[in-house]
Amino acid sequence: DAMVIQNPRYQVTQFGKPVTLSCSQTLNHNVMYWYQQKSSQAPKLLFHYYDKDFNNEADTPDNFQSRRPNTSFCFLDIRSPGLGDAAMYLCATSRDSGTETQYFGPGTRLLVL
Amino acid sequence: SQQGEEDPQALSIQEGENATMNCSYKTSINNLQWYRQNSGRGLVHLILIRSNEREKHSGRLRVTLDTSKKSSSLLITASRAADTASYFCATDPTNQAGTALIFGKGTTLSVSS
Repeated sequence: DAMVIQNPRYQVTQFGKPVTLSCSQTLNHNVMYWYQQKSSQAPKLLFHYYDKDFNNEADTPDNFQSRRPNTSFCFLDIRSPGLGDAAMYLCATSRDSGTETQYFGPGTRLLVL
Repeated sequence: SQQGEEDPQALSIQEGENATMNCSYKTSINNLQWYRQNSGRGLVHLILIRSNEREKHSGRLRVTLDTSKKSSSLLITASRAADTASYFCATDPTNQAGTALIFGKGTTLSVSS
């Protein structure tokens, strides 16, 4: 049974054209995360929500925004994608505190043309 | 800054052999986790070891933690082709309360039959 779902699995966008990636969870977890992962690199945390509280990492570009309209859904908005934003975007959840086991979705691979 | 560093970066073995991966970190931690990532997929949690624990087992996995050396190892015994994946350690630094895990760069394991 899918627990963390990401749509779409592959996304192609044009340079500068806004794009939204979505994540949903059936675990009823309080915390949701967005990571960016480039080839052969570690996942890099962009931001996370603890319930409705938004926590932005200091080095996350302003180009990246997020919304969490309810417990189940979280969105990643890239306002003006650049070529350097091509990557795998991973959504994850954890039950409570930010350092418990995290449950990842399958990821969305973003290609910027 | 990077907290966890895995060693080696890449490891190639034959089926049936044991695979050992190491992780070193810089600051005191509450816990350390190991995750696995198949190519093009999300991460899957394998095991969590707390700072007051020295060793944990889960099936063919054995994890050790040496807080004095700030290092951990993941041993996969009797490896199978299906173990081919990237393996990441992730730490929960004690000096960053409330923030998320910090992932290392990973070890890419290739098991050939």
